[in-house]
Amino acid sequence: KQEVTQIPAALSVPEGENLVLNCSFTDSAIYNLQWFRQDPGKGLTSLLLIQSSQREQTSGRLNASLDKSSGRSTLYIAASQPGDSATYLCAVNRHYGQNFVFGPGTRLSVLP
Amino acid sequence: NAGVMQNPRHLVRRRGQEARLRCSPMKGHSHVYWYRQLPEEGLKFMVYLQKENIIDESGMPKERFSAEFPKEGPSILRIQQVVRGDSAAYFCASSPLSGRNEQFFGPGTRLTVL
Repeated sequence: KQEVTQIPAALSVPEGENLVLNCSFTDSAIYNLQWFRQDPGKGLTSLLLIQSSQREQTSGRLNASLDKSSGRSTLYIAASQPGDSATYLCAVNRHYGQNFVFGPGTRLSVLP
Repeated sequence: NAGVMQNPRHLVRRRGQEARLRCSPMKGHSHVYWYRQLPEEGLKFMVYLQKENIIDESGMPKERFSAEFPKEGPSILRIQQVVRGDSAAYFCASSPLSGRNEQFFGPGTRLTVL
């Protein structure tokens, strides 16, 4: 059974810092890994999707990497801004079309 | 192209009533997934549907819960005889049949059972 963990559970940083969020999964046989952000009381916004054959994806100030063999992914946020404050969720699935298994999330606060 | 739409956004029911949650996937998407987020807990998968078919319902409680995705119209998650423990945020996600199988989420329906 796939289990996803995320470290740290919460993180508070001053504006402008670069930061790394970590995601680990127990079963390395994944198809996709997707990073989301969730604002309080809101839905999920897709940030980046990494397919199992890929090592990283970039979008703006975000960079996600995947090391499938070790069961790890990192989300790197450059030059953090207060608007980045949210909960960041990592999720993996095993096969094409299959549902995602989610981690518990990292709650990020970026202080002005 | 409108995103995934869910309605209602908020739903209040008394114990024993029925709750119907609707999800309209993004245009061109034929896969629909329902997830539940209990208070202070993570997102858990409930059911995966394609048009007129339930593909995987392994995450759905065996009693009182049902889901459908008819040929025409939105996907419906139905909860009969709701109990307080059903209070949660219910999210729908959709994905296209082809491509990277990226999932796009709706804003959720927040169900409160009094």
